[in-house]
Amino acid sequence: DAKTTQPPSMDCAEGRAANLPCNHSTISGNEYVYWYRQIHSQGPQYIIHGLKNNETNEMASLIITEDRKSSTLILPHATLRDTAVYYCIVRVGRTSYDKVIFGPGTSLSVIP
Amino acid sequence: DSGVTQTPKHLITATGQRVTLRCSPRSGDLSVYWYQQSLDQGLQFLIQYYNGEERAKGNILERFSAQQFPDLHSELNLSSLELGDSALYFCASSDFAGALDNEQFFGPGTRLTVL
Repeated sequence: DAKTTQPPSMDCAEGRAANLPCNHSTISGNEYVYWYRQIHSQGPQYIIHGLKNNETNEMASLIITEDRKSSTLILPHATLRDTAVYYCIVRVGRTSYDKVIFGPGTSLSVIP
Repeated sequence: DSGVTQTPKHLITATGQRVTLRCSPRSGDLSVYWYQQSLDQGLQFLIQYYNGEERAKGNILERFSAQQFPDLHSELNLSSLELGDSALYFCASSDFAGALDNEQFFGPGTRLTVL
């Protein structure tokens, strides 16, 4: 079973920040939070991941709460091409055993 | 382009048949993952191989099997096919020992239709 919960859908106006929440209250100390997105029927695409600290890359920012029980993916200036299903998953990093469980994700619609 | 290739892109077959899906990971990646995505089930993890050995198993049916070859490409074999096996099958690869920290790169998928 997925170890994360996300809202099933969200809307965001084009050009505004999209904030996608994720709850992972049972996360273990050695588990990372990963975010992927899937644009209709394409292979999922890696976005960002983090352990404890907030992370930023060219695609997004990841804010992880201090207790690590939840996180938020931020797309700072959403465009129509960001319309996709966003998956938040927890995984143990740097291991050759990697049972990856995707939940249903959040379907983000960016509206013109 | 993720660097992961999957063949064929589309496959149409009949119930009871057997098919083989092929995946070539990114150059240098030792881990290969297989996923099934059907309309009502979402993205389901099937199995992971690392350097030729099975490492993790998910919701993979006994009718399904996989292997990873010495050149690191992988095949997913689906037998006694049923209508419910119709789905997108994705392969992903990763290099957990590298700086990318186990990021998975997904292929474009194989769409299987069982009639």
